Amino acid sequence: AQRVTQPEKLLSVFKGAPVELKCNYSYSGSPELFWYVQYSRQRLQLLLRHISRESIKGFTADLNKGETSFHLKKPFAQEEDSAMYYCALTTSGTYKYIFGTGTRLKVLA
Amino acid sequence: NAGVTQTPKFRVLKTGQSMTLLCAQDMNHEYMYWYRQDPGMGLRLIHYSVGEGTTAKGEVPDGYNVSRLKKQNFLLGLESAAPSQTSVYFCASSSLGEGGYEQYFGPGTRLTVT
Repeated sequence: AQRVTQPEKLLSVFKGAPVELKCNYSYSGSPELFWYVQYSRQRLQLLLRHISRESIKGFTADLNKGETSFHLKKPFAQEEDSAMYYCALTTSGTYKYIFGTGTRLKVLA
Repeated sequence: NAGVTQTPKFRVLKTGQSMTLLCAQDMNHEYMYWYRQDPGMGLRLIHYSVGEGTTAKGEVPDGYNVSRLKKQNFLLGLESAAPSQTSVYFCASSSLGEGGYEQYFGPGTRLTVT
């Protein structure tokens, strides 16, 4: 079965420190991976997707098929990065997303 | 464009009462979804629809029904509310595109069942 695992419920870092939010998935085929973010009192929104290989707000994520991971990274955390982050997976030919349980990132001043 | 809207924003129900949550999107998206968000559980898919007149069960469909009579609307019904259905409900829509399909979310409905 497809599954997305985010092992950390809460991650606290100081401003300016590097950030890595972990995401591992289980799927035997070729998945499509995404990161969604939910800022306080706002709706979920797409942060980035693996296929576009872009950097959004300084965040990057690389799909590692060998380790079945899609970790989200940022070299220098900012206070405005504090939010809930969800990793999600879809597969070709389906219409469903599988979301992880989310990681709350707190960036401390 | 309003994007995805949800009605109501908040609701308190007593056990056994019924209600309908309305989701509307103005982006002409084919696919629509209902999720519930619970602490420590992330987002779990309740039901989804791949087109007008079609619906399918997600991960946690029990106790809920849905209908999609119009392409732009997706209704979620609770026939007999239970305290276990206390949650935040999110609607989303998407359209098939290259590299997967971005989901656009509504603002959420916070439901409390007492």
